[in-house]
Amino acid sequence: ELKVEQNPLFLSMQEGKNYTIYCNYSTTSDRLYWYRQDPGKSLESLFVLLSNGAVKQEGRLMASLDTKARLSTLHITAAVHDLSATYFCAVDGGATDKLIFGTGTRLQVFP
Amino acid sequence: DARVTQTPRHKVTEMGQEVTMRCQPILGHNTVFWYRQTMMQGLELLAYFRNRAPLDDSGMPKDRFSAEMPDATLATLKIQPSEPRDSAVYFCASGKTGELFFGEGSRLTVL
Repeated sequence: ELKVEQNPLFLSMQEGKNYTIYCNYSTTSDRLYWYRQDPGKSLESLFVLLSNGAVKQEGRLMASLDTKARLSTLHITAAVHDLSATYFCAVDGGATDKLIFGTGTRLQVFP
Repeated sequence: DARVTQTPRHKVTEMGQEVTMRCQPILGHNTVFWYRQTMMQGLELLAYFRNRAPLDDSGMPKDRFSAEMPDATLATLKIQPSEPRDSAVYFCASGKTGELFFGEGSRLTVL
């Protein structure tokens, strides 16, 4: 059974600082997704990573995928308050296209 | 602007009542997923369909939950009878190539 773990679960960081969120998964997969969720809102797709070594960047966020290590990272550069949200990674379960979500990382950026 | 549409957005009901949630996927998407989100369990996959055929509903309590897709424009999730532990936000998501697009969710409260 595919399991997806994120750490940390909670992250409180100061504006301007850098940090990385980690996503580990338990079985082979070549497709990984990152989503953002604001409180009381839906999930918004951030990044789609489709192969080993894939790296995507959007603004202050950069996501990467290492399929051999079964690890994805979401790196935050020079955090700003607007990045405060919960971030989820999701892994494709294989031939079934079933997306299994991680526990989520709740990020709070303060001045 | 294509999006997944869910109704109702909010529902308060009493224990034992039937609840039906509806989802209109994005036109052209061939996979539809139902997820449940709670603080304690996070995002749980309940059921999903590909080309309207149910592929996996192992995450769903079979005795009270049922999911159907009567046509390509409508997916339904029914709970009968509802229980207080069913209180959660239920998300529908649709996709075509793996990436999922989420609706706004149906917030269910069972008293």
